Amino acid sequence: KNEVEQSPQNLTAQEGEFITINCSYSVGISALHWLQQHPGGGIVSLFMLSSGKKKHGRLIATINIQEKHSSLHITASHPRDSAVYICAVRFNFGNEKLTFGTGTRLTIIP
Amino acid sequence: EPEVTQTPSHQVTQMGQEVILRCVPISNHLYFYWYRQILGQKVEFLVSFYNNEISEKSEIFDDQFSVERPDGSNFTLKIRSTKLEDSAMYFCASSVNRNNEQFFGPGTRLTVL
Repeated sequence: KNEVEQSPQNLTAQEGEFITINCSYSVGISALHWLQQHPGGGIVSLFMLSSGKKKHGRLIATINIQEKHSSLHITASHPRDSAVYICAVRFNFGNEKLTFGTGTRLTIIP
Repeated sequence: EPEVTQTPSHQVTQMGQEVILRCVPISNHLYFYWYRQILGQKVEFLVSFYNNEISEKSEIFDDQFSVERPDGSNFTLKIRSTKLEDSAMYFCASSVNRNNEQFFGPGTRLTVL
């Protein structure tokens, strides 16, 4: 079965801490997305990557295709980073749909 | 910056009623998607749409669901006879092509009573 797993499910940290959220998937993919969902429910795309590493501000996403694993890092975390972070992948079946993980709920305490 | 928009933000309906959820994708995008998220669960794919036809659909997308691009800007999801279990957040997304990043709308929260 084509699955996406994230860990941890919940993460609480102090402001300023370095955050790592992990995503693993079962079979080959053509792309992986990291998404952010705020309490209001809207989804914002943070990154799409298929190899290597991408950085945007305090956010860094890496992917290891051989290990079928990706990480999202947040440096110098801030309470406004509190949200649900979702990993979604496009599997290698020649289609365009995304398969989503269950999300990681991040809470940053001031 | 261009964005995907959705209307309404919240729709309440009675079981058995028809609802139409509306989306305006980003103007130069060619692929359109509907996803849903039942409260407390993960986001699930419903359907993708390209060149005025369904490209792929999930097992959730049964005969009660339909999609349409009635004009050059709108993309709609119709549920013919709503059930209690259709209560969810429905997200529209669009992308330039099938291999590009998908951009999501703010969602429509559908409540079926």
